Amino acid sequence: GAVVSQHPSWVICKSGTSVKIECRSLDFQATTMFWYRQFPKQSLMLMATSNEGSKATYEQGVEKDKFLINHASLTLSTLTVTSAHPEDSSFYICSARRLAGGSTDTQYFGPGTRLTVL
Amino acid sequence: GESVGLHLPTLSVQEGDNSIINCAYSNSASDYFIWYKQESGKGPQFIIDIRSNMDKRQGQRVTVLLNKTVKHLSLQIAATQPGDSAVYFCAEDLTGGGNKLTFGTGTQLKVEL
Repeated sequence: GAVVSQHPSWVICKSGTSVKIECRSLDFQATTMFWYRQFPKQSLMLMATSNEGSKATYEQGVEKDKFLINHASLTLSTLTVTSAHPEDSSFYICSARRLAGGSTDTQYFGPGTRLTVL
Repeated sequence: GESVGLHLPTLSVQEGDNSIINCAYSNSASDYFIWYKQESGKGPQFIIDIRSNMDKRQGQRVTVLLNKTVKHLSLQIAATQPGDSAVYFCAEDLTGGGNKLTFGTGTQLKVEL
């Protein structure tokens, strides 16, 4: 259990276009999903927290108008990179928080989406 | 020209040996800690977690030790196998509820045959 999928797994787009990435929890409901960004040989940096039915909470320095997040259901969150530029090229990873039945909720991660902007 | 890149700390071990990966966390108020394994081109995979009211927790072939006095976390992997080769990240959660994780820099584990 606790499987999270992402689609697409990789995407190449032209500068100025928008790209949508989907994150799905396949076998559990996730009231909260998270979006991270990871550059090569670096750690994961949290971009935003997505709550079902409400606006996302963005980390400091992350442009909310550039990285649009929608959490339309308990199993789906989407990240849209608008007007993408080469500096947006990165590995984008989502996670979903699963209620463990106790006091600790664990985040389970998707496989990531490699975005390359030409 | 010469390219300059970041270098992850690397731990090289022989197959069958035990591995110990260390992590120093930053916030003494953090209540929940997790170890993740990340293979190249993939998302992080949950390995084991521990709450701040414990100092040791064991899983299958893995043990996590927590020393709150010096804010230190370690992951021990018994009988390391080639499939264990990956980058390992520790993460701390101040809220204790999995709400906001702060990841460490990561350690590259290389298993030599």
